Amino acid sequence: QVQLVQSGAEVKKPGASVKVSCKASGYTFTDYAIHWVRQAPGQSLEWMGWINAANGNTKYSQKFQGRVTITRDTSATTAYMELSSLRSEDTAVFYCARGWDVSTYHRLWGQGTLVTVSS
Amino acid sequence: DIQMTQSPSTLSASVGDRVTITCWASQSISRWLAWYQQKPGKAPKLLIYEASSLESGVPSRFSGSGSGTEFTLTISSLQPDDFATYYCQQYNSYPGTFGQGTKVEIK
Repeated sequence: QVQLVQSGAEVKKPGASVKVSCKASGYTFTDYAIHWVRQAPGQSLEWMGWINAANGNTKYSQKFQGRVTITRDTSATTAYMELSSLRSEDTAVFYCARGWDVSTYHRLWGQGTLVTVSS
Repeated sequence: DIQMTQSPSTLSASVGDRVTITCWASQSISRWLAWYQQKPGKAPKLLIYEASSLESGVPSRFSGSGSGTEFTLTISSLQPDDFATYYCQQYNSYPGTFGQGTKVEIK
């Protein structure tokens, strides 16, 4: 079926980096974009950035610019989000979501990946 | 960035109640607004897109309206499965931004 499956929970120390994967199946990967959204505990949803799966073009939220890198591997139908210089405030669930363009609604979401940043 | 503001933040209601959640945009977003439902530990689920289009498989008790800067999500008769947090999202312009959420609780 059509789905996005994310990698498992991570525990990282402050200053480290984390890389979360999002594997797409059930549809043509390069027909859509993949977005990444962060949700801190008890908080709302926050858009981080997106990648055009067809050509690899990316765009990032100014809030995360310089710390986030989104890539994709078309042969593996997988997108990746790497966040560096982690701090405790980055403890959150990270979601990938499918879209069409840089600004779009999201019909399909991954299950979420909890990243805990703690010394 | 366009700011999205929802009201109320929390809503206590009973099964069978008619429930309305309002979302305001800091500038006009035409009808480029979506509504999501999120339950604890789960990903958001799309309910409404383009302000009033019901996503396939979503019960018809959910409806959306509005344009420009003011939008509403209405649940015509609240069911036990509807107790959750609801978010609006504008996708008129980059970056897409979400409201702070409305938690619908059992009264």
